[in-house]
Amino acid sequence: DIQMAQSPSSLSASVGDRVTIACRASQSIKNSLNWYQQEPGKAPKLLIFETSNLHTGVPSRFSGSGFGTDFTLTISSLQPEDFATYYCQQSYSAPYTFGQGTRVEIK
Amino acid sequence: QVQLVQSGPEVKKPGASVKVSCKTSGYSFNLYGISWVRQAPGQGLEWLGWINPYNGATNSAQKVQGRITMTTDTSTSTAYMEMRTLRSDDKAVYFCARGPSYSTSFFDYWGQGTLVTVSS
Repeated sequence: DIQMAQSPSSLSASVGDRVTIACRASQSIKNSLNWYQQEPGKAPKLLIFETSNLHTGVPSRFSGSGFGTDFTLTISSLQPEDFATYYCQQSYSAPYTFGQGTRVEIK
Repeated sequence: QVQLVQSGPEVKKPGASVKVSCKTSGYSFNLYGISWVRQAPGQGLEWLGWINPYNGATNSAQKVQGRITMTTDTSTSTAYMEMRTLRSDDKAVYFCARGPSYSTSFFDYWGQGTLVTVSS
């Protein structure tokens, strides 16, 4: 199975900050990396698919990059509605594993 | 618009089975797989498996193989996930999600989740 590791596990940031979350795969997954946002008590929402493509309706302050084993999610200017937990997920091969999540909290 | 609506919360005893439904609308059911993902209290997301409604083919995580059955009813565009021999560590919120498909590999729409509690 492909293991996914996110860093950091949590971070505190202020509105307007630039935030970067890293995700590393245990083997090459080419560009088959997706990002999800989950607010407490709600279902995850797709943010970015295939490394860098924004899902419908996702604000342009979100961006993704990477290839192979190392990927990043960047929020260019953190907004109040962005405080949530973010998960990366590989869709290169089943089982389609998730990272452990990064919780973004208000500083 | 694409919607996935899941059945309500369940309380089961250890050793029992639970069947969760996921009714879809707003798209061609046969064109997208349905995946099942669960989240234990305070924990991350765990992919359980997926089913192709077109041909019924399934693929499940080794951890739950032998205990999970995924099915679909194409006449009602509904997917089902049954978990047998429930244990206390199966307590979780179970989500269905659309995907993958022949051309996409991600999960773009999700159900609201179904809480399954396992308690004696």
